[in-house]
Amino acid sequence: DADVTQTPRNRITKTGKRIMLECSQTKGHDRMYWYRQDPGLGLQLIYYSFDVKDINKGEISDGYSVSRQAQAKFSLSLESAIPNQTALYFCATSASGGGNQPQHFGDGTRLSIL
Amino acid sequence: DAKTTQPPSMDCAEGRAANLPCNHSTISGNEYVYWYRQIHSQGPQYIIHGLKNNETNEMASLIITEDRKSSTLILPHATLRDTAVYYCIVRVATSGTYKYIFGTGTRLKVLA
Repeated sequence: DADVTQTPRNRITKTGKRIMLECSQTKGHDRMYWYRQDPGLGLQLIYYSFDVKDINKGEISDGYSVSRQAQAKFSLSLESAIPNQTALYFCATSASGGGNQPQHFGDGTRLSIL
Repeated sequence: DAKTTQPPSMDCAEGRAANLPCNHSTISGNEYVYWYRQIHSQGPQYIIHGLKNNETNEMASLIITEDRKSSTLILPHATLRDTAVYYCIVRVATSGTYKYIFGTGTRLKVLA
């Protein structure tokens, strides 16, 4: 979805560096999510936010932090990157109101940590 | 841990209908079925979702069996740009919300 924009699209960095991945959306959705995708493992939920003042840990939050700066922006930080955080990262959004609202994904950030 | 099973691959002639099946025999009564597709190097694209009634939108139709144990995604007139991996998903509750488990999906190849 062009309505969910992730930057950068690709990033190569070194172990120990701090990295921020950014996500912005024009869909007007309240809910935002960060996932990582590893080959053969599918998507794993890192953090999610239901509104600007709400932050929740997902399944694999260790080593990551997030910031919900505004309704439209949700950033993911790796405080001290390690090689096993090499993955494809996706941001997603969904509308609130009813538990069946589908999630809409950005095109991902491919992160490589050397 | 996907709650759905799909054939690994299918071919479809351009201009013909593509019918992609999915089994979800353990689905609970209030769970929706979602369909997404992923084209190489892009994020998952939402297609359609439904509970028990058949659904149609500008991209596709979704047919859900009466017992809700299986469904079929129909792309009525497949084009080359529909070549992608298609995922049938039933959400799983986790950490106070839901997550989508993208299984292996069906790799659809539309042939000219």
